[in-house]
Amino acid sequence: NFMLTQPHSVSESPGKTVTISCTRSSGSVAHNFVQWYQQRPGSSPTTVIYEDNKRPSGVPDRFSGSIDSSSNSASLTISGLRTEDEADYYCQSYDSSNQNVVFGGGTKLTVL
Amino acid sequence: EVQLVESGGGLEQPGRSLRLSCAASGFTFDNYAMHWVRQAPGKGLEWVSGITWNGGTIVYADSVKGRFTISRDNAKNSLYLQMNSLRPEDTALYSCAKDRGSSGWSNLDYWGQGALVTVSS
Repeated sequence: NFMLTQPHSVSESPGKTVTISCTRSSGSVAHNFVQWYQQRPGSSPTTVIYEDNKRPSGVPDRFSGSIDSSSNSASLTISGLRTEDEADYYCQSYDSSNQNVVFGGGTKLTVL
Repeated sequence: EVQLVESGGGLEQPGRSLRLSCAASGFTFDNYAMHWVRQAPGKGLEWVSGITWNGGTIVYADSVKGRFTISRDNAKNSLYLQMNSLRPEDTALYSCAKDRGSSGWSNLDYWGQGALVTVSS
């Protein structure tokens, strides 16, 4: 079993770039795809990145995903920050050992 | 347009049972795996259970194993969660979510608005 650890919160100014990390506690981050979800207050989560670095249709290319085997982590990068990007972001992967879906604890992004 | 609409939430006492339903529309329901995910007030997302397109594989989080049962009726385009032996820590908004795939877990690409379950005496 593994955990996904995210920073509790990050903040950045409009127009800047922010990166949110998601570190896998054991096993290789490259072994199972990582997804990223955006959850605005009062709304259901929506996918911004799936399968490590793919963007669903309708998600702007300001959102990008990557994985880094050296740090065993995935990252979500948002460039050209807008106030509407302010939300909670969750990473998610799959644990092959017990067939469980695993979510990170979430990161609150503040754009100020 | 994909729609997932949950129902059956409410206030229940510890030890009692509730059954949640999720009505799906806008996609070929029996082509996709489905999940239940919960979110306690002010907390993060917690995956509860998943079921493949034909019910051939069913998996539960350890926190609900032996108490909750997921099922689906493809003829009715519906997903269910039978919750027994409820505990206060089960209090959460329960959402059904569609998987991008059919026979394994991948991206949960559509989510319902959720049904609130409150467990309290």
